[in-house]
Amino acid sequence: GAVVSQHPSRVICKSGTSVKIECRSLDFQATTMFWYRQFPKQSLMLMATSNEGSKATYEQGVEKDKFLINHASLTLSTLTVTSAHPEDSSFYICSARASGGTNEQFFGPGTRLTVL
Amino acid sequence: QKEVEQNSGPLSVPEGAIASLNCTYSDRGSQSFFWYRQYSGKSPELIMSIYSNGDKEDGRFTAQLNKASQYVSLLIRDSQPSDSATYLCAVRVGPGKLIFGQGTTLQVKP
Repeated sequence: GAVVSQHPSRVICKSGTSVKIECRSLDFQATTMFWYRQFPKQSLMLMATSNEGSKATYEQGVEKDKFLINHASLTLSTLTVTSAHPEDSSFYICSARASGGTNEQFFGPGTRLTVL
Repeated sequence: QKEVEQNSGPLSVPEGAIASLNCTYSDRGSQSFFWYRQYSGKSPELIMSIYSNGDKEDGRFTAQLNKASQYVSLLIRDSQPSDSATYLCAVRVGPGKLIFGQGTTLQVKP
């Protein structure tokens, strides 16, 4: 149990386009999902905390108008990178925290974004 | 700003040896600590969690926590080449919210 999926796993896009990444909890309900970004040879940096039915909370330095987060249901959160630029190329990873009880986070497999 | 510090390595050990990975954290109020393993190009997977001072053992892995020194470590006994990966230390700083260290790359040589 506790499986989190991400789609797509890999995306290449042109500079200036927008890219949407989906994060789904497959076998549990997640009131909270987290979005991380990881540049090569660096650790995971928390971008934002996404709560179902409310606005996401962004970490300092993360532009909320550029990284749009929608957590419309208890099993789905989406991250849209708007007007992507080469410096946005990174590994984006989501995690989900199950509703009620354990604080354990379950990580998705990640999405590799390359902006040309 | 809350921080988690790890030596980036690489830490190289021969097969069968004990690998010792260390982590320090800045928030004295932190109560929950985690070790994740991350293979190249993959997302992290949880190895151990520890909440109380002392040692916690799970198979070949032992996590050690010293809250007074703000120090947490991971020992891997009988290291195998398949243990070669980056090990991330994480500290919970809010409801479900984790701060990660930069990770230590472990290389286990056959």
